[in-house]
Amino acid sequence: DAGVIQSPRHEVTEMGQEVTLRCKPISGHDYLFWYRQTMMRGLELLIYFNNNVPIDDSGMPEDRFSAKMPNASFSTLKIQPSEPRDSAVYFCASSKTGTGFTEAFFGQGTRLTVV
Amino acid sequence: AQSVTQLDSQVPVFEEAPVELRCNYSSSVSVYLFWYVQYPNQGLQLLLKYLSGSTLVKSINGFEAEFNKSQTSFHLRKPSVHISDTAEYFCAVSERGGTYKYIFGTGTRLKVLA
Repeated sequence: DAGVIQSPRHEVTEMGQEVTLRCKPISGHDYLFWYRQTMMRGLELLIYFNNNVPIDDSGMPEDRFSAKMPNASFSTLKIQPSEPRDSAVYFCASSKTGTGFTEAFFGQGTRLTVV
Repeated sequence: AQSVTQLDSQVPVFEEAPVELRCNYSSSVSVYLFWYVQYPNQGLQLLLKYLSGSTLVKSINGFEAEFNKSQTSFHLRKPSVHISDTAEYFCAVSERGGTYKYIFGTGTRLKVLA
């Protein structure tokens, strides 16, 4: 398996624009997590899904943030409108529970810069 | 609610010296415990994990961690560090049979000096 795949790796956008981050989890994994990493706040869990259903979005900072998982192989995190304080590295991770439990595997991240 | 505390934000150590990175957690239920390592401009990679069984777990590159339930700790140790161990290390906890979400500590930046 190629691991968790995130795109794009880098994104530079202007304040007010819509940004969409994409994630392809590892096949067969039933949990998907979105994290944000900044120097000030470290790794924050934004939202996570189980079998494509959002379980907890209490970490989403504002209504400007939304996430979807339309199927088991794809998830998006959208910021609309974007602001400079959204600049961070966004990570997607997936894991498998139950039989064949695995730890969370992380993608390489998307470095977002909002100017 | 779960929480993870990594008291040391930075740990400088000379090459070939031993190191310990501390991790304490809080949870009302049984947990799985993990150490992840992050190299510059990369994602997090699993270093080692405790799921059950022996409380001492080891990685292939010489790190080990011991689960201490009474002290709610999962400290990471290496008897002799290399320059290549310079990275940021994150401790994480996940509830058994619960939400399975991963809560991370704030990270410890290990800098190995020549």
